[in-house]
Amino acid sequence: DADVTQTPRNRITKTGKRIMLECSQTKGHDRMYWYRQDPGLGLRLIYYSFDVKDINKGEISDGYSVSRQAQAKFSLSLESAIPNQTALYFCATSDFRGYEQYFGPGTRLTVT
Amino acid sequence: AQSVTQPDIHITVSEGASLELRCNYSYGATPYLFWYVQSPGQGLQLLLKYFSGDTLVQGIKGFEAEFKRSQSSFNLRKPSVHWSDAAEYFCAVGASNTGKLIFGQGTTLQVKP
Repeated sequence: DADVTQTPRNRITKTGKRIMLECSQTKGHDRMYWYRQDPGLGLRLIYYSFDVKDINKGEISDGYSVSRQAQAKFSLSLESAIPNQTALYFCATSDFRGYEQYFGPGTRLTVT
Repeated sequence: AQSVTQPDIHITVSEGASLELRCNYSYGATPYLFWYVQSPGQGLQLLLKYFSGDTLVQGIKGFEAEFKRSQSSFNLRKPSVHWSDAAEYFCAVGASNTGKLIFGQGTTLQVKP
């Protein structure tokens, strides 16, 4: 089984809808991250969490929120989806040093 | 502020030819450097990393990278490319004291038969 899983893998939603992307990990890591990938822009950090009670904004957090339900679970929500949030979203985990990160397979989100 | 630049957006090489993907970083101290590969429809997989010590690091799948402090570079190399190496490659630097990674824009590698 994969160490980092993301659900759903693909999602099409309409403008204005609320949507949640979920991430689970079995690596026992404390740190978890949400990135979005856009062509030509690489990966940009949305939110990150160093433990269940420590959640921080990344460089592009506007329009997103997160919830760290447990050490193993970190969810990303789009409160009111808009078309420019169409992207590939990745969850990642790391140990306490935070540098060597392990990525999930990604969720392709399309907002129409 | 830390930053990573991958000057080549797209590279095409013939199968069996050598490969070098460029990465330049901006960072005030000794950086932690990484190369990740993303195959079509897949997540990112770590190819190799540099934390300290020997400046030539070996990774998986026959890749290596060399840290050159004087040039602020961490270029990825492979002596003989295979068709299965076609993918997108990302260079990243570890931001000091934050545990965050800063990624370059990515380089897409196409392999010709």
